[in-house]
Order: sequence, then C-alpha cells, then structure tokens
Amino acid sequence: GAVVSQHPSRVICKSGTSVKIECRSLDFQATTMFWYRQFPKQSLMLMATSNEGSKATYEQGVEKDKFLINHASLTLSTLTVTSAHPEDSSFYICSAIRTGTDTQYFGPGTRLTVL
Amino acid sequence: GDSVTQMEGPVTLSEEAFLTINCTYTATGYPSLFWYVQYPGEGLQLLLKATKADDKGSNKGFEATYRKETTSFHLEKGSVQVSDSAVYFCALTGGTDKLIFGTGTRLQVFP
Repeated sequence: GAVVSQHPSRVICKSGTSVKIECRSLDFQATTMFWYRQFPKQSLMLMATSNEGSKATYEQGVEKDKFLINHASLTLSTLTVTSAHPEDSSFYICSAIRTGTDTQYFGPGTRLTVL
Repeated sequence: GDSVTQMEGPVTLSEEAFLTINCTYTATGYPSLFWYVQYPGEGLQLLLKATKADDKGSNKGFEATYRKETTSFHLEKGSVQVSDSAVYFCALTGGTDKLIFGTGTRLQVFP
C-alpha cells in the first residue's frame, strides 16, 4: 500500500515560536503533496498545494509567510508554522499523490497546540 | 464554487443495520466523487470513488452511485459492523487534483 507519515504526531509550543511538521511518502514518490487544516467537527480545509522543486500554491486567505511550505524532494514536504499563536492550534493533515496517478494518500495528521 | 454537503452526524446504528449517509454536491463540469473514511487515530483512507455519471464505486461492502440527475453520491452498506465506526467524508475533485470535502459524518455502530 501507499503510506504517508507525519512527524510529529502531536506538538505543544509557546506563542511566538515556530513549529515544523514533516510529511513523508514512505514507499512511493510524490510530485504533489497537499496540506490541510481540520478544525474540530469540521471538514478539511485545503491550505496549499506543494509541488516538488517549485513554490507552493496557497489557497485564498492562507498567509504564505506564516505557513512556509518546502517540498525539497519527491518524498518529503514540510510545513513550518512561524510565530505561532493560539489561533493556529489545529489538526494539520498532509496528503500525497503517487506520481502518475490521481489518488491522494493521507497522513495521520499532526495536532498542534499553541499555548 | 464547487461544494459538498453531507448529512450531519452522528449516525448511531446497531450492528447489522442498513446504513445510508447522504451526500450531494454542487460543481461545474463533471467532477470525480469520493468517499473517504477516518478511523479513530488514523489518517483518511480512500474508501471508494466514481469518476463519471452512473458509475458505482464499491469497497468493503460499501457502495455509492454517481447520480448526475440528483447531484448525489450517497454511501450505503447493507449490514454494518462495529468496526465500521469512523468518520466518513464525501469529497469531489473538479478537474484538478484538489479535493473539496464535506463536513464529515460520524458513524457509531453498537453491538
């Protein structure tokens, strides 16, 4: 099967600090990865599309300077939440598309709590 | 813009009951339709999909038929099990790889 991992699974940080979340496709190459945010009892909201070797494409209303995305290889994308504030607390989920297909495989998510 | 509407949960059923989770969509063009499932503590998994009108997606006893005339993609299972307890998301892609999700429906199955 196609496995996507995220690290860390949970992180607690102080307000004003930056947090990096990794998304890895473990057994396939992914030219495209996506980052979502999920609020309690709500749906997943697409934040940005991450393409290997190029700049991420952000959805309307998502601050690109606050949510830095780097897709440096075909198996790794990172999301850095800069100068985190309590309102950034959320569940962040990534997905990856196996190169040559259209199916998204999702990571287990990262719970971020900003104190 | 494109959107997905699905019934609010939780849906609570006894084991072996019949399940229907309604999903309707709004889209320009001809979207592909998906059902994803999120088991407790796990990531979303693709359950089934349909790419054109009248297609039926099926997996693990679940089925959904792409109904263009009613813009619907209702999820059904004839006999649920406790292990089916999870959150189910209806979603579509409208010509790009971007998934647009419904709000999710929590299913709770009791023995």
